[in-house]
Amino acid sequence: EPEVTQTPSHQVTQMGQEVILRCVPISNHLYFYWYRQILGQKVEFLVSFYNNEISEKSEIFDDQFSVERPDGSNFTLKIRSTKLEDSAMYFCASRSTGQTGEAFFGQGTRLTVV
Amino acid sequence: KQEVTQIPAALSVPEGENLVLNCSFTDSAIYNLQWFRQDPGKGLTSLLLIQSSQREQTSGRLNASLDKSSGRSTLYIAASQPGDSATYLCAVLNNAGNMLTFGGGTRLMVKP
Repeated sequence: EPEVTQTPSHQVTQMGQEVILRCVPISNHLYFYWYRQILGQKVEFLVSFYNNEISEKSEIFDDQFSVERPDGSNFTLKIRSTKLEDSAMYFCASRSTGQTGEAFFGQGTRLTVV
Repeated sequence: KQEVTQIPAALSVPEGENLVLNCSFTDSAIYNLQWFRQDPGKGLTSLLLIQSSQREQTSGRLNASLDKSSGRSTLYIAASQPGDSATYLCAVLNNAGNMLTFGGGTRLMVKP
């Protein structure tokens, strides 16, 4: 069964460093998303990406965040200068534009900023 | 702005019980609604999807209903098992298809 793959599963970084979280969406999907979940809190929307551009973003997705689809298979989230409060689980998701529009999520990257 | 609320926040039941989890949303202009399962420290597993034109979907012991006009969905779990213990999340996709908004989840514990 096709799945969304995220790497790494866990990343520890020092405050102020840049991190890149990687995702391989399901191959025929056209919508891609990043979400985050701070420990014990809700799953929060960050950004959606369609047709090689940002389709929607939340107020959390400020100038320190960026997304890119560098090739036909990867979808990345970059955090330029990490803060302690960026520590969270980051989930990538993709969905087709088919009738059901079901979204599939990866297993997440746990980011710890120290 | 879409707001999604799930009640109860936590539920503990003995094995074998039938149970209902509730989800409500403020904006009825949705494309679909999905129910997910999340195990501690893990990702989100899609359980059921209901399109906005549908009233319910079934998968095994799970049945989800949708009343779009009143902004409500329920997830019914029949004959609960300890393996059902997890957090259950509902999420609604907006009509533009570019944002899925999550509720806070219901943490379910099924005791043997």
